[in-house]
Amino acid sequence: DTAVSQTPKYLVTQMGNDKSIKCEQNLGHDTMYWYKQDSKKFLKIMFSYNNKELIINETVPNRFSPKSPDKAHLNLHINSLELGDSAVYFCASSQTSGEQFFGPGTRLTVL
Amino acid sequence: SQELEQSPQSLIVQEGKNLTINCTSSKTLYGLYWYKQKYGEGLIFLMMLQKGGEEKSHEKITAKLDEKKQQSSLHITASQPSHAGIYLCGAGGNFGNEKLTFGTGTRLTIIP
Repeated sequence: DTAVSQTPKYLVTQMGNDKSIKCEQNLGHDTMYWYKQDSKKFLKIMFSYNNKELIINETVPNRFSPKSPDKAHLNLHINSLELGDSAVYFCASSQTSGEQFFGPGTRLTVL
Repeated sequence: SQELEQSPQSLIVQEGKNLTINCTSSKTLYGLYWYKQKYGEGLIFLMMLQKGGEEKSHEKITAKLDEKKQQSSLHITASQPSHAGIYLCGAGGNFGNEKLTFGTGTRLTIIP
């Protein structure tokens, strides 16, 4: 059973399009995250939700909007995609204390 | 903001040899996490350290946090091809639901 799953695994799209990435965790965790890993493999936090409430919002363009319909899901919607948005996006979840469990990543390529 | 520097950036080691990866923080570490990433896959949690001087081992991997809690090392004994990947250290807060600030990563290649 996959603990943290993301869909799709690969996403190729044109500049200007709007796309969504979905994340689900079956671990019963109350906190979920989105991270972005750039071409140099540098991994950086974007958002964090705790019990469906936004608790961390790093300096991310307004084109990125996370949505948490329930504790087990945290989706990422991106409007007006730009070339610089190309990266691997990782979802993660954790309990109040303890390590974060990461999903397999979604490789986004903007053409 | 906290910054983590890892060294070396890349490492090529012959199978069976020992190796060490270092992680240095610009601020005191309250929770230091080690993760491993294989190409095209997510991050796999290895170990978490919180106390100064703490040391943890799992199979052939040992992680240490120095007394001042600003530096951590990851040591692999008798390396195997399965150890190849990117190793990332991450700094968190006292609680698990705080963001992780990741280091620059170390790419480990094992030569047969």
